[in-house]
Amino acid sequence: EAQVTQNPRYLITVTGKKLTVTCSQNMNHEYMSWYRQDPGLGLRQIYYSMNVEVTDKGDVPEGYKVSRKEKRNFPLILESPSPNQTSLYFCASKGLAYEQYFGPGTRLTVT
Amino acid sequence: GQQLNQSPQSMFIQEGEDVSMNCTSSSIFNTWLWYKQDPGEGPVLLIALYKAGELTSNGRLTAQFGITRKDSFLNISASIPSDVGIYFCAGPYMDSNYQLIWGAGTKLIIKP
Repeated sequence: EAQVTQNPRYLITVTGKKLTVTCSQNMNHEYMSWYRQDPGLGLRQIYYSMNVEVTDKGDVPEGYKVSRKEKRNFPLILESPSPNQTSLYFCASKGLAYEQYFGPGTRLTVT
Repeated sequence: GQQLNQSPQSMFIQEGEDVSMNCTSSSIFNTWLWYKQDPGEGPVLLIALYKAGELTSNGRLTAQFGITRKDSFLNISASIPSDVGIYFCAGPYMDSNYQLIWGAGTKLIIKP
C-alpha cells in the first residue's frame, strides 16, 4: 500500500530537549515536505526537499532542521524545542503531478 | 506575495443540505487543488483543476476553476455525516512546480 508514515503520532516533551520526528514514504517520490498546522492558519510549510541531499526552507523554518540522506526518509529535527512549536505536524511526498500525499500527523506538545 | 483567501471559515449545516465554499486570490493560478482533512488524519486530495472554466465532479463533490483564474469553488450536494472535516484549497506558487500555497481551510460541521 502506497503511504507516508510518521512517528511518533503523539509526543509531549519539555523545552530544550532535542527531538526527531521521522517520516518515510514508499512511493519512490523525489519531493518531500514538512508542514505545521495551527488553528486558523491552515498548513504552513517548514522545509522541503526536491531530492536526496537537496533541502530548502519553506515559510516557517526557524527552529527546525531536516536531512535527506535517503530518498524514502525525511526526518524533522527540533534541536531545542520551545512552547511555540506546539503544533500538529504533517509530512508529505509528491510525485510528478501536483498531488501531495500526507502522513497521519504528529501532535507535538512542548511544555 | 501570493495568498489564498478561503471562505467561509466554518459552516454549520443540516444533513442533506448542499454546501458551497470558495477560494480567491489576487494572483492568477494555473492549477487549483481541493483537499479534505478528516478529524485526526492528514489531508487527502479530492479534486484537481487544471484549466480555466473547468468543472469537475467526484461523486457528490463538484469543483470549478474560475474563468479569471483567480478563484475556485467547491460544492457538496446532499451532505452526509462523513462530510465533516476541514476542506482546503491549494495552488502552486507561480514560479514553482513543487511548492503549494494553502488556504486556511473551511471547517464543515453537521448539526445533529
